Amino acid sequence: AQSVTQPDIHITVSEGASLELRCNYSYGATPYLFWYVQSPGQGLQLLLKYFSGDTLVQGIKGFEAEFKRSQSSFNLRKPSVHWSDAAEYFCAVGKYSGGGADGLTFGKGTHLIIQP
Amino acid sequence: GAVVSQHPSRVICKSGTSVKIECRSLDFQATTMFWYRQFPKQSLMLMATSNEGSKATYEQGVEKDKFLINHASLTLSTLTVTSAHPEDSSFYICSARGVGAGNQPQHFGDGTRLSIL
Repeated sequence: AQSVTQPDIHITVSEGASLELRCNYSYGATPYLFWYVQSPGQGLQLLLKYFSGDTLVQGIKGFEAEFKRSQSSFNLRKPSVHWSDAAEYFCAVGKYSGGGADGLTFGKGTHLIIQP
Repeated sequence: GAVVSQHPSRVICKSGTSVKIECRSLDFQATTMFWYRQFPKQSLMLMATSNEGSKATYEQGVEKDKFLINHASLTLSTLTVTSAHPEDSSFYICSARGVGAGNQPQHFGDGTRLSIL
């Protein structure tokens, strides 16, 4: 069975500082990996995804993630955070089924706090 | 592009009531939609996969007679929580995957906060 681990429940970062959110996955084949962001009481917005190709993936809002197969990781990074980045971040893994990812397995999320 | 609309955004009702939640893909066609449930401060858990024109596939432990899913068109899937009880109170989120070859991601709605009194 596939699983996703986000080791950090909360992370506090100063505005303007760099950010890295960790994500480790367990999956028996080539994973289809995602990072989503959720603001309070809202749905999820896709930040970026990886299926194949370049292991460094660029997303929206200045985020990037690097797929490392040897470490089963897909960490999310941003060089300089803004106060508007404060939110809940979810890493997810899905099985690829021709048209795209099937139902996703999510990590428990990392709550990002931005301090002035 | 790739907007998913979910309605209603919030519903409060009495125990025993049935509640219908709609999930629409506004600017794309979606042969496959997914329904997730999220408890407070928890992650999303997949409930079921809905394919247009066929029966939904439910995850283990999800009661299909409790959570009725209909996906009658390429832009609309509905989730009906039948005879809802307080333990059904949760945040329900749908997602839709576009039609076409390749690695189509899921696009999520804004969710429905269901509160059963």
